[in-house]
Order: sequence, then structure tokens, then C-alpha cells
Amino acid sequence: QAVVTQEPSLTVSPGGTVTLTCGSSTGAVTSGHYPYWFQQKPGQVPRTLIYDASNKHSWTPVRFSGSLLGGKAALTLSGAQPEDEAEYYCLLSYSDVWVFGGGTKLTVL
Amino acid sequence: EVQLVESGGDLVQPGGSLRLSCSASGFTFSSYALHWVRQAPGKGLEYVSGITRNGGTTYYADSLKGRFTISRDNSKNTLYLQMSSLRPEDTAVYHCVNQVAGTVYWGQGTLVTVSS
Repeated sequence: QAVVTQEPSLTVSPGGTVTLTCGSSTGAVTSGHYPYWFQQKPGQVPRTLIYDASNKHSWTPVRFSGSLLGGKAALTLSGAQPEDEAEYYCLLSYSDVWVFGGGTKLTVL
Repeated sequence: EVQLVESGGDLVQPGGSLRLSCSASGFTFSSYALHWVRQAPGKGLEYVSGITRNGGTTYYADSLKGRFTISRDNSKNTLYLQMSSLRPEDTAVYHCVNQVAGTVYWGQGTLVTVSS
């Protein structure tokens, strides 16, 4: 089964920019993996931020954006806010089998 | 509004069995694949299993094959997960999950604790 990799932790300054990445052990991440990005805060269920690599929902803050970058899925946060401190998970689909990344703990400090 | 309500979590001894249920509403149940995802205390999200709309095809994480069985009853709008040969490392909150139009909906989950 594929392994999906994310940075275990990242720190960003308030107002700063940070990029989280999501790689696949099987090779380049493509649109065919239908990458998702979730935000999870303590005690809450995950919330969908990005789907199909770059699509946002109406509730996704404008400062978040998704892309495919250098063979990985990427989540970029531009203008970090204290409330963005959370765990972020990516999800890739491999022929209908989902695989989650290990999560990135994002600290805004 | 999509609602997913899990039940059946409990304290069970190693080697025991348990059946989880997920009652769904707010969408046409028989039109969507459904999934189970778990999260161990303080750990990340782990895909457990999925099932197609008519139940004809099922998917499992490689580490769980043979111990867990997913099923559904479209007449009752209910998803199930039969778990057997449970191990302490199966301790987690088990979430019922649905994907609709780019949104992944999560139930609040049911806690399974495997301990003697």
C-alpha cells in the first residue's frame, strides 16, 4: 500500500507564508489522486479545506490555496493567522482506496 | 444536512469482536460510497475501509484485511463495520465518512478501546 508523506511539523510567523507538502511513495502526485487537504483542531473532526488539489469551498479562507508542485500536492497559507494553528492532513486516492498522510502540525508563532 | 451518527463503540478485550454502526441521513444513502476512518488517541487519521454504493466492492487498509468487514444496508441507511481479533493498537475513535461534491463529511465517531 502506498505511503503518503507530510512534514511532521512547521512553524510560521503571524502574517507569514508557509507551504505544506504531500508526497506519494508511488511517484508523483497527480490530479488523478484527487488530493484533499483537511484542517483539524483539538477536539474537532477534520474540516475539508481543499479538494481535487486546488478547489476551495465557500468556507475555505482565501489565504489558503492548493496546488500540484514538484510532484507533490501542496497547501500554501499566505498571511497566517493565529487561528490557523492546527493539524493539517492530506488525503490521496489510489483507485478508490484512500491513504492519509501522517499530518503536519502547524504552529503560528 | 448530511448527518452521520456512529454507535457500537465499547471496551473490549484483546481478541474480541465488535460491530460498529453508522446511521446516515440528509443525502441519498444508496447513491454514495462510504468509508470508515479511525484516529487513535493523539495520533493521525487512518483509512480503515470503504464500500461502493451497492456494496458490491469493498476496500480495506492492507494492515486490516481479514480482520475487519465493511457492509451496508441501503434499506436502513446504515453502514456497518464488523471487527474481529481486536488488538490494543485498534484502540481509536472510528468515524463514518461520506464524500459528497468535494466535501468529506465526518460523523463525530465512536470510541473503541481494546484492553484487558
